[in-house]
Amino acid sequence: DQQVKQNSPSLSVQEGRISILNCDYTNSMFDYFLWYKKYPAEGPTFLISISSIKDKNEDGRFTVFLNKSAKHLSLHIVPSQPGDSAVYFCFFNNAGNMLTFGGGTRLMVKP
Amino acid sequence: DADVTQTPRNRITKTGKRIMLECSQTKGHDRMYWYRQDPGLGLRLIYYSFDVKDINKGEISDGYSVSRQAQAKFSLSLESAIPNQTALYFCATSDFRSSYNEQFFGPGTRLTVL
Repeated sequence: DQQVKQNSPSLSVQEGRISILNCDYTNSMFDYFLWYKKYPAEGPTFLISISSIKDKNEDGRFTVFLNKSAKHLSLHIVPSQPGDSAVYFCFFNNAGNMLTFGGGTRLMVKP
Repeated sequence: DADVTQTPRNRITKTGKRIMLECSQTKGHDRMYWYRQDPGLGLRLIYYSFDVKDINKGEISDGYSVSRQAQAKFSLSLESAIPNQTALYFCATSDFRSSYNEQFFGPGTRLTVL
């Protein structure tokens, strides 16, 4: 039974518009929530994170939102650029060493 | 130079063969991990190690074993490879001082078991 789900396997967005990627989770024991980006033939790279005591964290064009009551994590990219085209994974962990990745969402940003 | 390296990058083998995938890191991190990626399933944790004398099973450890030869080296073995172990394998490291447990990944090894 998957504890973390990325329900959209793919997303297509026009350059300059907002991209919204989502993760839903079932386990309330997670403390830290991260997003990773993965290009083909490369390993995932860290993008942005948020702790369970916050509901928003912003870094340039990237903003992560955490809704604990809904058990929902989202990543907003504004404005989207063609170089943002990649697979995005949410990653959840806690001090008890529970480490869980979502299944990934492929983002395609069209010029 | 890459901080986390994996060898080989690609490997094709036959059912029943023993395979070892190697990972080395120059980041000085104490924690190391092995994951496999399958389409639509994200990355799943196979084994992890928090220091040289510490080995822990992850979500999908059956059919795999690991060895932490040194702080910088963590190898993954498939004692008798089977076709459903065909996947992309990633090694990762993290620093125990990072509360977020931000992980740094190698480039991956594509393994095909015929």
